[in-house]
Amino acid sequence: DSGVTQTPKHLITATGQRVTLRCSPRSGDLSVYWYQQSLDQGLQFLIHYYNGEERAKGNILERFSAQQFPDLHSELNLSSLELGDSALYFCASSASRGLRTEAFFGQGTRLTVV
Amino acid sequence: AQTVTQSQPEMSVQEAETVTLSCTYDTSESDYYLFWYKQPPSRQMILVIRQEAYKQQNATENRFSVNFQKAAKSFSLKISDSQLGDAAMYFCAYRKGETSGSRLTFGEGTQLTVNP
Repeated sequence: DSGVTQTPKHLITATGQRVTLRCSPRSGDLSVYWYQQSLDQGLQFLIHYYNGEERAKGNILERFSAQQFPDLHSELNLSSLELGDSALYFCASSASRGLRTEAFFGQGTRLTVV
Repeated sequence: AQTVTQSQPEMSVQEAETVTLSCTYDTSESDYYLFWYKQPPSRQMILVIRQEAYKQQNATENRFSVNFQKAAKSFSLKISDSQLGDAAMYFCAYRKGETSGSRLTFGEGTQLTVNP
């Protein structure tokens, strides 16, 4: 158990809909990252939050948005969903200071758009 | 921009044998970290091993060890005494050293098969 919790584990929705993926980081971790893993692509970085503030954006579509709340949990909102958005979405967290610099991943949310 | 390249899409090894997975990276940073993650069929991303760029000594975790060649920007993973449970997709990853954290850049992955 990595200590990072993602909900839901599976999500099936129709094109055009909007969904919210939730992530609770490990206790004490200030950084939260979102990644997308499609079948035909590797792990793509979407966005990074640190202590409630957006720190970096990757290949995140304008239809996607995220936020990190005061309790440090994060949500990834995907709207106007398309078939191509079907993927495994991972959240990861890391401690931001000291020697423990690795990111620990949640189990992912498998999104299927039909 | 940093890039990570894994040139072996697939590898196979006999149980109890040793296998080495290759990874090269490109960066202009001096402070960074390198990782190997394992993704079994469950799709969970599991950290296997970590290497700090400032450390000359190669990291070791039980049967897993790395060969870190900083000048060559090479970071290979050696799995000794391979077990059936080692079968998975392995990703090499790079991260800049920043106090507020930074993204991981992943390679394309190497699918490892372990034959009994």
